[in-house]
Amino acid sequence: EAQVTQNPRYLITVTGKKLTVTCSQNMNHEYMSWYRQDPGLGLRQIYYSMNVEVTDKGDVPEGYKVSRKEKRNFPLILESPSPNQTSLYFCASRSLTHGYTFGSGTRLTVV
Amino acid sequence: GENVEQHPSTLSVQEGDSAVIKCTYSDSASNYFPWYKQELGKRPQLIIDIRSNVGEKKDQRIAVTLNKTAKHFSLHITETQPEDSAVYFCAASINSGYALNFGKGTSLLVTP
Repeated sequence: EAQVTQNPRYLITVTGKKLTVTCSQNMNHEYMSWYRQDPGLGLRQIYYSMNVEVTDKGDVPEGYKVSRKEKRNFPLILESPSPNQTSLYFCASRSLTHGYTFGSGTRLTVV
Repeated sequence: GENVEQHPSTLSVQEGDSAVIKCTYSDSASNYFPWYKQELGKRPQLIIDIRSNVGEKKDQRIAVTLNKTAKHFSLHITETQPEDSAVYFCAASINSGYALNFGKGTSLLVTP
């Protein structure tokens, strides 16, 4: 089944404790992206990657890092999480001919 | 950068009525306009999209129209059903969809 898999689905952590949210797709898509979703603000792009070793900032990149060492994986790294990064996070991938396929989401709470 | 405005933020219709959600975009170079449906607690899912060389596209009860001159596009849902209740997001992209800018969403409620 074609899918984007994110882990974990839920995460509660403390301020300053480094964490990684994993994202993997099995569709051989070149393009992958991370979004955060907040009430009233919609979906905002954090980072995107157009291929292996090619990443770029989206609209709200501060406090986040990404890497793309393999085509299928695109982890999101929070080196020092803060409460304002409490949000619902979505990973997504797409090919040229199809729209985005989103992962199931990761609900992150930073206390 | 691209700015996408979406209206209304909430919409309530009775089952069987039509629903229309409108979006405007700022960058005239935008050429790809998808619509996503997000049910409560679930991921956004693509329901229909349109490219700038097409003025209208239909898929059963849903349709999207694009007016490039006015820089706006709309989602039309006919014969609404309770299962159409969800949040709908429009988006626009200037490079055929690689980087999408989303509207803030419309919460649609269809009452029986």
